[in-house]
Amino acid sequence: AQKVTQAQTEISVVEKEDVTLDCVYETRDTTYYLFWYKQPPSGELVFLIRRNSFDEQNEISGRYSWNFQKSTSSFNFTITASQVVDSAVYFCALSEGGTGRRALTFGSGTRLQVQP
Amino acid sequence: ETGVTQTPRHLVMGMTNKKSLKCEQHLGHNAMYWYKQSAKKPLELMFVYSLEERVENNSVPSRFSPECPNSSHLFLHLHTLQPEDSALYLCASSQDWAGFSGANVLTFGAGSRLTVL
Repeated sequence: AQKVTQAQTEISVVEKEDVTLDCVYETRDTTYYLFWYKQPPSGELVFLIRRNSFDEQNEISGRYSWNFQKSTSSFNFTITASQVVDSAVYFCALSEGGTGRRALTFGSGTRLQVQP
Repeated sequence: ETGVTQTPRHLVMGMTNKKSLKCEQHLGHNAMYWYKQSAKKPLELMFVYSLEERVENNSVPSRFSPECPNSSHLFLHLHTLQPEDSALYLCASSQDWAGFSGANVLTFGAGSRLTVL
């Protein structure tokens, strides 16, 4: 069965610190997709990134970067030089593209608080 | 402005009331979803509609009744709810049903915060 674990329930940092949000997943499928979503206080989840299981290249987008490692089944998310506007709940999610479950399975989320 | 609009944003109802949550998407997507977000629990998928046909129902109690009259609108009808049903109900849409490939990106609404007294 598919499963996503975000062990960090809440993280608090001071502005300009770097922070890494951990995500560990379980799946038996060889084809799968990993996602990160951000949920600001306004409530709607905002899509950040999608990676497929065949592309292990790390990705950087501005202050955001993602480290995908199949060997450890992890898809970690790093925010460099954090800002107050980064305060939100971040969700990692998995969907299977082969014979497994296609609908997204979400982790329980990590609440990030960035203090000024 | 988000492409997925949910109303009402907040709803308080008694256990014997009947109410409905509404979701509208302006993105031309073919699939729509209801998720439940309870405190300290992962988001739970409730229902999925693809081209107005229900394609997934995750053992949701019958006191929740979805309706999808067209590909732009999705409703969640509520009746005789329990206090444990209090949660944030999120609607989402995607270009196609994720069941085709799993790769579809979901666009979410801001949610309807439901409190059952």
